[in-house]
Amino acid sequence: EVQLVETGGGLVQPGGSLKLSCAVSGFNFSGSAMHWVRQASGKGLEWVGRIRNQANTYATAYSASVKDRFTISRDDSKKMAYLQLTSLVPEDTAIYYCSSLSYWGRGTLVTVSS
Amino acid sequence: SYELTQPPSVSVSPGQPARITCSGDALSKKYAFWFQQKSGQAPVLVIYEDTKRPSGIPERFSGSSSGTMASLAISGAQVDDEGDYYCYSVDSGGHLGVFGGGTKLTVL
Repeated sequence: EVQLVETGGGLVQPGGSLKLSCAVSGFNFSGSAMHWVRQASGKGLEWVGRIRNQANTYATAYSASVKDRFTISRDDSKKMAYLQLTSLVPEDTAIYYCSSLSYWGRGTLVTVSS
Repeated sequence: SYELTQPPSVSVSPGQPARITCSGDALSKKYAFWFQQKSGQAPVLVIYEDTKRPSGIPERFSGSSSGTMASLAISGAQVDDEGDYYCYSVDSGGHLGVFGGGTKLTVL
C-alpha cells in the first residue's frame, strides 16, 4: 500500500521557521521526483517546489513565491522528503502536501499568525 | 511567470459528456497532468503525460492535447465525478511546475 505521511505543521509566528517531513512507503521513492504543493483555505493548488532523484543530481526548483525562503531535501535511505520553511509570512498559511504527482499525502496544516 | 488557464466551472447532467480545458503556451512541448480533488480530500491523479490513465481510474476519463491546449474529457459524467479538477505542467524550460486555477465540475 502506498503511503505518504506529512508531519511538522503547526502554528508559527511571522518571520519564524518550520520543517515539514514526508514519510513514504509503498513505491519507488528513490527513483521518484518529490514535490511539495500547498493549498490555502478555499483556494487552488499551488506548486511550491520539487527535488529530483539521484540520477538527476537531486536538482531542486522552487516557485518564485518561496524561492530563497524554502528548501527541499530528501533522504533516500530513510524514504523521507523534507521542506524547510523560513521567513514565514501569513500568506504561507496553507495545507502542505508532499507528492510524487502519482501519489499524494493527506497534507499538514501550516498557520502563520501572531 | 508561466500560467495555465482553466474555466472556473463546468456543469453537466448525469450521463452527459464533460470536457475541461487547460491552455498554456508551453503545452505544445510539455506534458499535461490532471488531478481530481473532492472536498476535504487530497488530489488524485486521473491523467498523466497528456493521455495516460493510471490504474484504478475509470475508462470514462480521457485526456488529449493539441497545440497549446490540453483537455480532460469524461464520457458519461457521474455524480461521483463532482469536484475540482486541476491541470499541471511545467514551464518551457522544464524546471518550474505550475497548476491551473482549477475547474469546479458539477454533475446534476
